[in-house]
Amino acid sequence: GNSVTQMEGPVTLSEEAFLTINCTYTATGYPSLFWYVQYPGEGLQLLLKATKADDKGSNKGFEATYRKETTSFHLEKGSVQVSDSAVYFCALRRGSWGKFQFGAGTQVVVTP
Amino acid sequence: DVKVTQSSRYLVKRTGEKVFLECVQDMDHENMFWYRQDPGLGLRLIYFSYDVKMKEKGDIPEGYSVSREKKERFSLILESASTNQTSMYLCASSFGTSSYNEQFFGPGTRLTVL
Repeated sequence: GNSVTQMEGPVTLSEEAFLTINCTYTATGYPSLFWYVQYPGEGLQLLLKATKADDKGSNKGFEATYRKETTSFHLEKGSVQVSDSAVYFCALRRGSWGKFQFGAGTQVVVTP
Repeated sequence: DVKVTQSSRYLVKRTGEKVFLECVQDMDHENMFWYRQDPGLGLRLIYFSYDVKMKEKGDIPEGYSVSREKKERFSLILESASTNQTSMYLCASSFGTSSYNEQFFGPGTRLTVL
């Protein structure tokens, strides 16, 4: 079946460091891929998405490229800020009716 | 802005109580979802609905039921709450069946069952 695997956290970084969060997936067909972010005490919000192979999603300095050959969708940011401290979820859309499969989430902590 | 609201941010209930969690969205979305979020497990789908009065089981429906009497409202019901249902509950909605469409989430309800 469909699944999403993320690197375990927490990931602790200093401000202005480079961030990578690995995400790989297994799925039938050609799923759309998403990164969501959850700030403390809040629900999830969409960070970026990619809907076909080689697409690059980007938002707020974050980027991720849909790599079908490696079934990956790694999230990157070149220079993190304290305000990027959050939990990041990789997800794929599976089947009809908009059902999603989420990874376990990766907590990122950025220190000044 | 799309808005998904949930009736409570925090809720404390006793074992055996019947619990209602309410979710309302204001964007005329057909699809609505209930998840629970637990550390290390990510989000797990409990139930979803793709139309009024329609419901489908997700991955972990045991111990839960749902109701969707109006398009904008989707309720999660714990018939007899148990301590293993202590969790964060997230409601989400989405539009249509396109694979491009994202889900929009509410702020969550943190439920504690004593």
